Formats: sequence, structure tokens, C-alpha cells
Amino acid sequence: GQSLEQPSEVTAVEGAIVQINCTYQTSGFYGLSWYQQHDGGAPTFLSYNALDGLEETGRFSSFLSRSDSYGYLLLQELQMKDSASYFCAVKSARGSARQLTFGSGTQLTVLP
Amino acid sequence: KAGVTQTPRYLIKTRGQQVTLSCSPISGHRSVSWYQQTPGQGLQFLFEYFSETQRNKGNFPGRFSGRQFSNSRSEMNVSTLELGDSALYLCASSLGGQSNTEAFFGQGTRLTVV
Repeated sequence: GQSLEQPSEVTAVEGAIVQINCTYQTSGFYGLSWYQQHDGGAPTFLSYNALDGLEETGRFSSFLSRSDSYGYLLLQELQMKDSASYFCAVKSARGSARQLTFGSGTQLTVLP
Repeated sequence: KAGVTQTPRYLIKTRGQQVTLSCSPISGHRSVSWYQQTPGQGLQFLFEYFSETQRNKGNFPGRFSGRQFSNSRSEMNVSTLELGDSALYLCASSLGGQSNTEAFFGQGTRLTVV
């Protein structure tokens, strides 16, 4: 089966940097995605890593190490609006289909 | 370009009833996936439809079923509702190709079973 582990909660102050880790176990691994979900909102796509290394998109960066089955989301210059839940998700192969399996989410609280 | 539309947004049902939820994907997207979200459980994959065929299925009982129409709209049905079925049901649409990396979610249908 597939499983993902990520911390349930993280707290940081405005302007700081925070890293949310994700470890996974899966077969047929294709890539690791990150989604953000504000309370009452829909999950929105942040990033996708298929290859090892760092992908940067503005204040957000995502890292993947396939050999370690590990990735992280790095959020810099934190703002209050970054308070949300962050989910890592593994894209894996199941026959001809591709499936997204999500972690349980990390609730990020940004304090003033 | 319109986003993913889910109807209804809120629903209250009693145990034993059945319910049908609807999802209209982004125009041109052929894949629709359904997820159940409960507090602390993340998003649990229900099933995925692509070109009217169920391509993938999660570990949910047979009471949960779905279908997809020729216009890519999808419906999800839950029969014989149980209290534990209370959750936010999300659908996500994507192009569906193997190289596709991004899924677009609707606002969800919040189902309460009483």
C-alpha cells in the first residue's frame, strides 16, 4: 500500500522560514505534490517534484529525494495568509492509472 | 475559464438514506477523482473516472459508487448512509494524461448524516 507521514502541526512567526517534511512509502512512484488548503476552501496546487532536487516558486520551494523517499515544502518570508493546511501527495502508478495519495496534512499557524 | 463546480455545497441526510453528489470538471478535463475529507484524516481517495470509465478505486465499501458522463461530468452516490459518512467530499479534475501533474479541486460538498 501507500502511506505518507507529515507533522500534524507547525507554528511560526511572520517573516520566518518554515519547513514541512513528508516521508512516503509507495510503489510505482511518479512524483510528489504539495497542496494548500485554507479553512473552508478547496485544496490548491503548489508544486510538483518528479526528479530529485529543489523546485522554487516565489516564496515557496519544494524538495525531493527519491532515494530517501522524502520531500519537504519550504515557505519563506511567512505571511499571515500562509496559515493553512498543507498536504503532500504522492503520484503513483496503479496499472495504467495514476493515483494521488494524500498525507493527513500539516496545519501551519503563522503568528504576528 | 470556469473552475470545478460541485453541487450541492451542503447536504443533510438521515441514516439509511442515499445521496448523489455532482461534479462538473474544468472544460477539456477528462479525469475526475473523488476524495473524502474528514478532520485529521486528510483526503482519502474514493475513485477516478476517465472518459466514462472507472480507472482507479480506493478502499471504500461498495456503498460508494460513481459514474462519469460523456461530457465528463461525474456523479458520486452513497447508499445506506451511515453516521461515519459525514465528511467533506471533494472532486478534482485534471487532463488525465500520464504526464499530468496538477489536479484542480472543487469547493466540495459537505455531507452531514444524522
